[in-house]
Amino acid sequence: GAVVSQHPSRVICKSGTSVKIECRSLDFQATTMFWYRQFPKQSLMLMATSNEGSKATYEQGVEKDKFLINHASLTLSTLTVTSAHPEDSSFYICSARDPTSGFGGYTFGSGTRLTVV
Amino acid sequence: QKEVEQNSGPLSVPEGAIASLNCTYSDRGSQSFFWYRQYSGKSPELIMFIYSNGDKEDGRFTAQLNKASQYVSLLIRDSQPSDSATYLCAVAASGGSYIPTFGRGTSLIVHP
Repeated sequence: GAVVSQHPSRVICKSGTSVKIECRSLDFQATTMFWYRQFPKQSLMLMATSNEGSKATYEQGVEKDKFLINHASLTLSTLTVTSAHPEDSSFYICSARDPTSGFGGYTFGSGTRLTVV
Repeated sequence: QKEVEQNSGPLSVPEGAIASLNCTYSDRGSQSFFWYRQYSGKSPELIMFIYSNGDKEDGRFTAQLNKASQYVSLLIRDSQPSDSATYLCAVAASGGSYIPTFGRGTSLIVHP
């Protein structure tokens, strides 16, 4: 089945620094990937849709200058949290759908637990 | 605004019992319905998807869809302690947009 690799799994950074999270589709090409954020005991909230070769589409309320997304190839999307603050601490998860799977749903990466201190 | 509603629980069932998880959605144009399982601190994993009215069975899991009532459920037979997790319902619209909207999830506890 489709596999999505995400790393790092955990990162602790100081307030004001930037953190990059990588998401790779290992056995399929993904022209579109999705970035979610999940706070404790909350649902997955879609942050943005990453489009290969073009600009990402951000959901309402998500700061595009703070959450930089780059989708440079058909298998790699990156999310950079710039000038991180403690309120950015969350579980970030990427997702992609194997286009050959029809309605088979989305595969998630293993997630990145970001803690900003 | 598209909404997917789930009872947050926790739903507590004894080992071996049937666990019934429910989900309602607001968008009548929804065509694809997914159930994900998420263990604490982990990312969601797909259990089942369904897009036709009726039941779909896979091992101990049965998804039930009723589009007229805008209702989808997941039954887990012979529940095991390892089934203890949060179950997320996700719904995707038609028209070429398959980005799912997720419910908050129902916490299931299966006790020995």
